[in-house]
Amino acid sequence: NAGVTQTPKFQVLKTGQSMTLQCAQDMNHEYMSWYRQDPGMGLRLIHYSVGAGITDQGEVPNGYNVSRSTTEDFPLRLLSAAPSQTSVYFCASSRVREEKLFFGSGTQLSVL
Amino acid sequence: EDQVTQSPEALRLQEGESSSLNCSYTVSGLRGLFWYRQDPGKGPEFLFTLYSAGEEKEKERLKATLTKKESFLHITAPKPEDSATYLCAVSGGSQGNLIFGKGTKLSVKP
Repeated sequence: NAGVTQTPKFQVLKTGQSMTLQCAQDMNHEYMSWYRQDPGMGLRLIHYSVGAGITDQGEVPNGYNVSRSTTEDFPLRLLSAAPSQTSVYFCASSRVREEKLFFGSGTQLSVL
Repeated sequence: EDQVTQSPEALRLQEGESSSLNCSYTVSGLRGLFWYRQDPGKGPEFLFTLYSAGEEKEKERLKATLTKKESFLHITAPKPEDSATYLCAVSGGSQGNLIFGKGTKLSVKP
């Protein structure tokens, strides 16, 4: 009953460092997505994927890269971290696009 | 522009004091409205999906309703364990991805 698994749970970076947030789901969902959640801003879509090999940009994609080589995994890469990327990041998946999303437990990222 | 607005931002209730949370939306061609519950430090947890005006769904003390412009989450005789942030999201329009409101933070005092 793992559902959507995100790692790490907490991360502190220095400006300019790179890192990858991991996301894996075991429900054979076609749709996967990354959101960031900031105080007073709600959940905002960063990138999404409707299937292996297919990715697209969401509302706030700048500074982030994604790839989807398998159905299960959807990593989010920060190439050069900036303080503006300090946020809580959630990975979510659904059977298909526009159905109910299942969320991971989140990654709290601080960029100093 | 597709938009979701939730009100109030925060709501404080006494245990047993029923109330409603509002989610108003502007989207062309609504294909679904979703309610989620989020506890501090956790990811949102799915509650309901509503698809058409007039539809209602219930779960324990929660009841969600939908009109052509808004949805209500009614909380009957709330308990302290109902304290959480409640999020509304819609799918529709040209985007096709879920658009979330900013949430209503509910606190229920014993």
